[in-house]
Amino acid sequence: DAKTTQPTSMDCAEGRAANLPCNHSTISGNEYVYWYRQIHSQGPQYIIHGLKNNETNEMASLIITEDRKSSTLILPHATLRDTAVYYCIAKTGANNLFFGTGTRLTVIP
Amino acid sequence: GAVVSQHPSRVICKSGTSVKIECRSLDFQATTMFWYRQFPKQSLMLMATSNEGSKATYEQGVEKDKFLINHASLTLSTLTVTSAHPEDSSFYICSAEVIYNEQFFGPGTRLTVL
Repeated sequence: DAKTTQPTSMDCAEGRAANLPCNHSTISGNEYVYWYRQIHSQGPQYIIHGLKNNETNEMASLIITEDRKSSTLILPHATLRDTAVYYCIAKTGANNLFFGTGTRLTVIP
Repeated sequence: GAVVSQHPSRVICKSGTSVKIECRSLDFQATTMFWYRQFPKQSLMLMATSNEGSKATYEQGVEKDKFLINHASLTLSTLTVTSAHPEDSSFYICSAEVIYNEQFFGPGTRLTVL
């Protein structure tokens, strides 16, 4: 699976959009980009995934660049409950999830 | 979304005892379940992949005789930490795989070995 690189931490003001970047420059054609988040002392929560098209669901939007070397997870209106560690993972359907260090997002009142 | 439960949520035991953790998929059947371990301030580390009716596949460095995994049905997998020691104290999390290869995670079990 391709290695992903994320900033260690980010802050976002409550009510504003949170844009979390992820680099996956070595991603292969059959690897999806998955996003999970982990709120303190809880199990990870699936957010969204995509292959090459932008995706949107009730939680977030995923923007994948045309060359697929990077992506951005967008939480449109961040709330205090969105404070968590966000993991960007590139994997094929058959492979396991590998959790890197993720981005610690802190939503500030 | 799919719901995965774990029991117990936290357990404290004496060194040398065995502890069993249950992972259940509540509203779906999961042919594959996964067990992860997370030490404080670290990321999740995959321990093993559990397929219903067959032996679990363990990641490198994980002792299969110490961490016994049983996946007896499509809704239940168990992890038994045998002869637990303080260094086994950790947050143990299971997940179950559903369609589109999404994994849904349980709430985790915090194990403290005294």
